[in-house]
Amino acid sequence: DIQMTQSPSSLSASVGDRVTITCRASQGISTYLNWYQQKPGNAPKLLIYATSRLQSGVPSRFSGSGSGTDFTLTISSLQPEDFATYYCQQTYSMPLPFGGGTKVDIK
Amino acid sequence: QVQLQQSGPRLVRPSQTLSLTCDISGDSVSGNSVTWNWIRQSPSRGLEWLGRTYYRSKWSTDYAVSVKSRIAIKPDTSKNQFSLQLKSVTPEDTAVYYCVRDPGSPKWAFDFWGQGILVTVSS
Repeated sequence: DIQMTQSPSSLSASVGDRVTITCRASQGISTYLNWYQQKPGNAPKLLIYATSRLQSGVPSRFSGSGSGTDFTLTISSLQPEDFATYYCQQTYSMPLPFGGGTKVDIK
Repeated sequence: QVQLQQSGPRLVRPSQTLSLTCDISGDSVSGNSVTWNWIRQSPSRGLEWLGRTYYRSKWSTDYAVSVKSRIAIKPDTSKNQFSLQLKSVTPEDTAVYYCVRDPGSPKWAFDFWGQGILVTVSS
């Protein structure tokens, strides 16, 4: 099975900061990589699919890049509503695993 | 707009069967490109995909190896819903359970989620 590893597991940042989260797959997954945002008490929300495609309604400060095994999620200017936990997930092959998550909190 | 509404008991006794239902509005459980999934989340296991059902001229299911011997996901076309049954539960099955849609190509991502139900396995 493909394993997904995110780093860092947590980070502290300020409003306006540029934030980058990394996701690594244990083997190549082409561009079948998605990113989700989850706030406490809520279901995860799809932000980016197919590595770099923004889900409808998601602000353009979110972007994704990568291919093969290494991927990044970037928030260009962190906003107060962006403090949350972020997960990557691959849909290249079963069993569709998620990364362990990156919690972004206020510095 | 797709909406998924989950229902089912919040407390299940050990060795019993966990049963949840997901009512779909704004889409069809029989849709040709879509898959209907169950995902759970716990502090110890994180987000874990459990399985899915989908229709491609016939009904099919895929299950995670970790639960394959205990799980059944079934569609109900008359009610436009799908269900999860997980047999022989233990306290390790305590988690928030979500029903989720994957629209298929070109997204291949989980774009609509149910509200989540915390199911506790305890005597």
